[in-house]
Amino acid sequence: AQSVTQPDIHITVSEGASLELRCNYSYGATPYLFWYVQSPGQGLQLLLKYFSGDTLVQGIKGFEAEFKRSQSSFNLRKPSVHWSDAAEYFCAVGPFGNEKLTFGTGTRLTIIP
Amino acid sequence: DTAVSQTPKYLVTQMGNDKSIKCEQNLGHDTMYWYKQDSKKFLKIMFSYNNKELIINETVPNRFSPKSPDKAHLNLHINSLELGDSAVYFCASSPTGGVSSYEQYFGPGTRLTVT
Repeated sequence: AQSVTQPDIHITVSEGASLELRCNYSYGATPYLFWYVQSPGQGLQLLLKYFSGDTLVQGIKGFEAEFKRSQSSFNLRKPSVHWSDAAEYFCAVGPFGNEKLTFGTGTRLTIIP
Repeated sequence: DTAVSQTPKYLVTQMGNDKSIKCEQNLGHDTMYWYKQDSKKFLKIMFSYNNKELIINETVPNRFSPKSPDKAHLNLHINSLELGDSAVYFCASSPTGGVSSYEQYFGPGTRLTVT
């Protein structure tokens, strides 16, 4: 069975600083990988996805993520964070042929002025 | 226009009661889901329906019964509520077929509190 680990429960960064959120997955084959964002009191919104091909994928709101097979990772990055990026971020994995997504436990991002 | 809507947004009830949460999507998707998010933000799938047919049932207690009157609606009925049912319940939908079926659109959630 697939699993997702987000090692950082809570990260605090200054506005304008760069950001990297870590995600490691466990799956027997190449999975489909996703990052979702949950703003306070809101549902989850898809930020970006990886299915195949180019290992660096671009998403909405200036986010990108890089799939590294050798490290079983799919880390999320943003070069310069904005106060509005404060939210909970979830990494998810979905196996081919089964749309059941498995989510990580989330990383809460706090932005300080 | 809200793509995936849920009602109510908040639900406070006592143990032993029966309650329902409604979900509607106007995206034209064939597949809908229910997720439970616990107090530690852990998100776990409960059910999925494709065009009114149950596809995924993740060993959820049979006190939980999803009902899909049509492919735009997936309601969740919970009998004999227990304290452990307190959580945020999210409805989601996705297209069917191909990689797009993995792109799930979530509703705003229903916070259920059982006292």
